[in-house]
Amino acid sequence: SQQGEEDPQALSIQEGENATMNCSYKTSINNLQWYRQNSGRGLVHLILIRSNEREKHSGRLRVTLDTSKKSSSLLITASRAADTASYFCATDGAGGTSYGKLTFGQGTILTVHP
Amino acid sequence: DAGVIQSPRHEVTEMGQEVTLRCKPISGHNSLFWYRQTMMRGLELLIYFNNNVPIDDSGMPEDRFSAKMPNASFSTLKIQPSEPRDSAVYFCASSLKLTADLGNQPQHFGDGTRLSIL
Repeated sequence: SQQGEEDPQALSIQEGENATMNCSYKTSINNLQWYRQNSGRGLVHLILIRSNEREKHSGRLRVTLDTSKKSSSLLITASRAADTASYFCATDGAGGTSYGKLTFGQGTILTVHP
Repeated sequence: DAGVIQSPRHEVTEMGQEVTLRCKPISGHNSLFWYRQTMMRGLELLIYFNNNVPIDDSGMPEDRFSAKMPNASFSTLKIQPSEPRDSAVYFCASSLKLTADLGNQPQHFGDGTRLSIL
């Protein structure tokens, strides 16, 4: 099964509202990353949070990490139509055979209506 | 700065033909990754290289798939012979080399090659 699993699978909101996406994972990690993918394009890195960090901000993005629950959330505040995209979390898996790899979840499709 | 460059952007070919996908990573990046994305299976890592050396190819579906990185600025993914089930979007990504203390670095993706095997 996927190391990272996003919830919800799809989210539809109005411009100006906040969007929250969640990610759960199964094994220990060094860090967790969030990516965005616009239709027909490659993934774009948004933010990286290390296992010893609990919260990180970047502009309108806020990421939290709870290693005890093996979960992370991505909050986009004051959403814009341009935020419409798929959002993926990716985990690296600490040590073992996962070293060097990122495992991506299935993603959350976010639609922001103008 | 130029990002990761992939070619071709689209490829349509008949079953049994050889397909070669190309990737130019970001200059200075030491790690290169090949992924495949489909609706059913999501984003799957096929193979990755560190300093031009293949580190893990456990994601390569079968012997029909092969990847090379002859130098730091070029990599290819080849499918021979191709089958309809290989139809997908193939992404190349590069990053600075992971380190023991920092772990994995952010990956920079190309815009992919949309492959259709008829």
